[in-house]
Amino acid sequence: EVQLVESGGGLVQPGRSLRLSCTASGFTFGDYTMTWVRQAPGKGLEWVGFIRSKAYGGTTEYAASVKGTFTISRDDSKTIAYLQMNSLKTEDTAVYYCTRDPGGYSTSWYYFDYWGQGTLVTVSS
Amino acid sequence: DIQMTQSPSSLSASVGDRVTITCRASQSISRYLNWYQQKPGKAPNLLIYAASSLQSGVPSRFSGSGSGTDFTLTISSLQPEDFATYYCQQSYSTPRTFGQGTKVEIK
Repeated sequence: EVQLVESGGGLVQPGRSLRLSCTASGFTFGDYTMTWVRQAPGKGLEWVGFIRSKAYGGTTEYAASVKGTFTISRDDSKTIAYLQMNSLKTEDTAVYYCTRDPGGYSTSWYYFDYWGQGTLVTVSS
Repeated sequence: DIQMTQSPSSLSASVGDRVTITCRASQSISRYLNWYQQKPGKAPNLLIYAASSLQSGVPSRFSGSGSGTDFTLTISSLQPEDFATYYCQQSYSTPRTFGQGTKVEIK
């Protein structure tokens, strides 16, 4: 059974940093692109960014709103994806979801087929 | 960036109704369009990928169609468990973008 479990959320002051983890199980983690999506309270879904598998260079792409302050990385040996968030702002307050994208591995289509339960990040003084 | 616009933003319907939600992309995205369902307090759930492919385990009352810039999600006979918010999302290019959501409520 595919499982994605996010952790590391919490209350943080503006300007501080936080690192989220997404621990995966039930599939060959290293074969997949891993994506982070966030949802501010009462709002819609916002794509944060992704990291491709090593087979596709392990490269990353980010939303303009987080580029330069957020960094996605992965440890395939531990089956964990990370979201390092620096210089946090109040507008970064959201539930952060980790998702799996089979695109490029098992299909030529790109979509988010499994999601974690989410972890809440609250940026407030 | 590709903008995704859903309509309506909300709708009221009864159990057994046929419901259609539309999604329009600001430029052609071929068939790189996905649909998700989200219930309150839960993570989104993939319903449809590649515009019309039903995700495994999703009931057949859900269907998707379209290509280019115009897409639809249809629920053929609304069930009580279908009351939720639905999002479209394009995967043609980065940044990946979502529609603003359509909330389906009980009439």
